[in-house]
Amino acid sequence: QLQLQESGPGLVKPSETLSLTCTVSGGSISSSSYYWGWIRQPPGKGLEWIGSIYYSGSTYYNPSLKSRVTISVDTSKNQFSLKLSSVTAADTAVYYCARHGGFPPPNWFDPWGQGTLVTVSS
Amino acid sequence: QSALTQPASVSGSPGQSITISCTGTSSDVGSYNLVSWYQQHPGKAPKLMIYEGSKRPSGVSNRFSGSKSGNTASLTISGLQAEDEADYYCCSYAGSSTPVVFGGGTKLTVL
Repeated sequence: QLQLQESGPGLVKPSETLSLTCTVSGGSISSSSYYWGWIRQPPGKGLEWIGSIYYSGSTYYNPSLKSRVTISVDTSKNQFSLKLSSVTAADTAVYYCARHGGFPPPNWFDPWGQGTLVTVSS
Repeated sequence: QSALTQPASVSGSPGQSITISCTGTSSDVGSYNLVSWYQQHPGKAPKLMIYEGSKRPSGVSNRFSGSKSGNTASLTISGLQAEDEADYYCCSYAGSSTPVVFGGGTKLTVL
């Protein structure tokens, strides 16, 4: 079945750029029916959507993070990636990737990766 | 776009039914029947339980059901079981400018 797996550094220094990759297995990221999304969860807090991408490269972002976020896709590797610039301690969170599907518009996330904790600290 | 409003906690005894509310606005929950619900056990990734308001993914127990009235969506769990103890999050489509908004989450305790 479809599986997603996040990878990337677990520690990032303040003011630097956080970079994560999500590898999709058991299905093609080029499916015309789905977007692919990033969601994060600060320790002990709720979920926050970061942004989503279509296999064609079309993206949409959370307005509150848009100025610092770039999401890209590599269909040859069945991967999509997240870059978050100028990070601060407030960006410390578990970062999840997930398939973003639905009607359209896409409106649900399933399945999710296991998540990866990224800590922003010097 | 503000987060959707959920109660911080709800509780119930085994076998009982509970309902978790998710209150939005006419710009999100009220305008679209595109609310999804997620269950999250400690240290685990969220799991989709309900999508597009009231649809259940394959494999999700029919004890879970979703509904909507006006600007408020609801998740009802009937025949409460110990394994239902978890955090629950709602999520709604909110238009093209901010397509995704989550609720703050509700901790369900099975007494």
